[in-house]
Amino acid sequence: NAGVTQTPKFRVLKTGQSMTLLCAQDMNHEYMYWYRQDPGMGLRLIHYSVGEGTTAKGEVPDGYNVSRLKKQNFLLGLESAAPSQTSVYFCASKPGDGNQPQHFGDGTRLSIL
Amino acid sequence: AQSVTQLGSHVSVSEGALVLLRCNYSSSVPPYLFWYVQYPNQGLQLLLKYTSAATLVKGINGFEAEFKKSETSFHLTKPSAHMSDAAEYFCAVSDHYPGRRALTFGSGTRLQVQP
Repeated sequence: NAGVTQTPKFRVLKTGQSMTLLCAQDMNHEYMYWYRQDPGMGLRLIHYSVGEGTTAKGEVPDGYNVSRLKKQNFLLGLESAAPSQTSVYFCASKPGDGNQPQHFGDGTRLSIL
Repeated sequence: AQSVTQLGSHVSVSEGALVLLRCNYSSSVPPYLFWYVQYPNQGLQLLLKYTSAATLVKGINGFEAEFKKSETSFHLTKPSAHMSDAAEYFCAVSDHYPGRRALTFGSGTRLQVQP
């Protein structure tokens, strides 16, 4: 049972380049999230989705876009990467509304030079 | 707005000693609280969650946490530390917005276990 799978695991970009991070879950979860983790700051919400075809902004959405064309996939895009976006990105999912915990992927470590 | 404060970014204990990791939260409504553990280069793994059914919550790997509403705290404890407990621990509170339920995390506490 794979759970939440993130690709790639590592990536180095130059300033101004674009890329897409992929999150896939095989648990039929409705809700999916993208967080970024920076030293000493815990995880912060970038964007989230509560179902196929729906997305919404979190606390730190600037510079990112997302799409949820299929229920199992949640894509995070950087249109023009900036050094401030150097971070570790985590995807998470949960079954739906309520008190269920979120399940996390192993993260994507992204460096912007 | 909700918030989580974890006191102590680094905690060091000896193997076999008590582990106490502190978490205080602010929430205008009864909170949904979680503790997650992160091992190096891995994602976050759920340790335990507060469901309001009981104030003392038992989790995996011998950890437990006690919810104290009067102190707005949800501290994590383990009676006897093991070397394998060395990791970073995050306390988190879920928001109550229907159709969102995102987590607000504390800044984390790195636990070091000395032999």
